Amino acid sequence: QVQLVESGGGLVKPGGSLRLSCAASGFTFSDYYMSWIRQAPGKGLEWVSCISSSGTTIYYGDSVKGRFTISRDNAKNSLYLQMNSLRAEDTAVYYCARDSRNCHDYWGQGTLVTVSS
Amino acid sequence: DIQMTQSPSSLSASVGDRVTITCRASQSISTYLNWYQQKPGKAPKLLIYAASSLQSGVPSRFSGSGSGTDFTLTISSLQPEDFTTYYCQQSYSTPPTFGQGTKVEIK
Repeated sequence: QVQLVESGGGLVKPGGSLRLSCAASGFTFSDYYMSWIRQAPGKGLEWVSCISSSGTTIYYGDSVKGRFTISRDNAKNSLYLQMNSLRAEDTAVYYCARDSRNCHDYWGQGTLVTVSS
Repeated sequence: DIQMTQSPSSLSASVGDRVTITCRASQSISTYLNWYQQKPGKAPKLLIYAASSLQSGVPSRFSGSGSGTDFTLTISSLQPEDFTTYYCQQSYSTPPTFGQGTKVEIK
């Protein structure tokens, strides 16, 4: 069965960096676009970034452009999100999701990122 | 960016009720509209994609309709496990954007 497991979240100071990982299993990872979506505490869902199956096409939301970098390693069935210059407003649960049929059909359980001094 | 507006933001209903949630896009999105259910502390779960296609494993009491700018999610007979939050999302253009959510509460 499809499984997505995020890791790498934690507490970081404003201006700091963090790298999130998402380990995928149960499907052919290299066939799918993948996305990161976040949810601030008590708030709604915000799409962050997505990457094509080969990694050659990448998109970012305006709120993270220039600070976050999405990448993937198809040999390791893994998705990453490098987050730099973190701000308090980046505090959220970060989900990785598989993209299929123009929707996010499977989601991980999420990893919490807290940006605070 | 395309703005997605859900209504109502919350509603109260009873087990067995028929419930309808509306989602409106700020411009036409054809049928590039998805619905997700999110329970507290859990990841969202896909219910409906392409406006009206039921995701595998989702109960048939959930249905979606609409095209262009106006869409609806209908739950034909509310079950106890359905009292939670629902989000619509457009996937017509990047960035894909979500509605603000609709919380379905027990009356």
